[in-house]
Amino acid sequence: AQTIHQWPVAEIKAVGSPLSLGCTIKGKSSPNLYWYWQATGGTLQQLFYSITVGQVESVVQLNLSASRPKDDQFILSTEKLLLSHSGFYLCAWSLGGFQDTQYFGPGTRLLVL
Amino acid sequence: GEQVEQRPPHLSVREGDSAVIICTYTDPNSYYFFWYKQEPGAGLQLLMKVFSSTEINEGQGFTVLLNKKDKQLSLNLTAAHPGDSAVYFCAVRRGSALGRLHFGAGTQLIVIP
Repeated sequence: AQTIHQWPVAEIKAVGSPLSLGCTIKGKSSPNLYWYWQATGGTLQQLFYSITVGQVESVVQLNLSASRPKDDQFILSTEKLLLSHSGFYLCAWSLGGFQDTQYFGPGTRLLVL
Repeated sequence: GEQVEQRPPHLSVREGDSAVIICTYTDPNSYYFFWYKQEPGAGLQLLMKVFSSTEINEGQGFTVLLNKKDKQLSLNLTAAHPGDSAVYFCAVRRGSALGRLHFGAGTQLIVIP
């Protein structure tokens, strides 16, 4: 069975500090991977997606970047956090194709002070 | 681009009552429809995926109706219980592979014992 793990579970960071959030998928080969951001009480906004190792497409620019260093790993990062980066970050995976369905990880709560 | 309106934003019902959440979308090429449930501090759990060819879809304790003519998707919880308390999101996408998911704003459902 596939599992999706996100780390850390929660972070409190200072404005201007760097950030790295991770996502790992086990049990699926070559999944599509996605990063979403959710403001507190808000809807989901897709940030990035990746269909293969080393290839990442940006959907929304929020002064963040993403990388896919391994088939099962997706990293979200920035060198300088802004207050507006606070929120809930969700990683998702899918297998692609016309009946593509996204499955979500447990999320990482980020508070920027 | 696709616009997804979800209503109501908040819904309180008594245990055993029904609860209805409605999403209206704009893109006539939308073909796949999803309902997700988000419990506090958690990721999104897929409740049901609906494909354009099926108008009535039944799950455990709920029914999803798709009205393509009016571009409307609804989630009907038939006899709500406290465990149903969560935020519910609809999401829609086109029929193309790797089509972007467009989410509604979410509905906070509270089921009062």
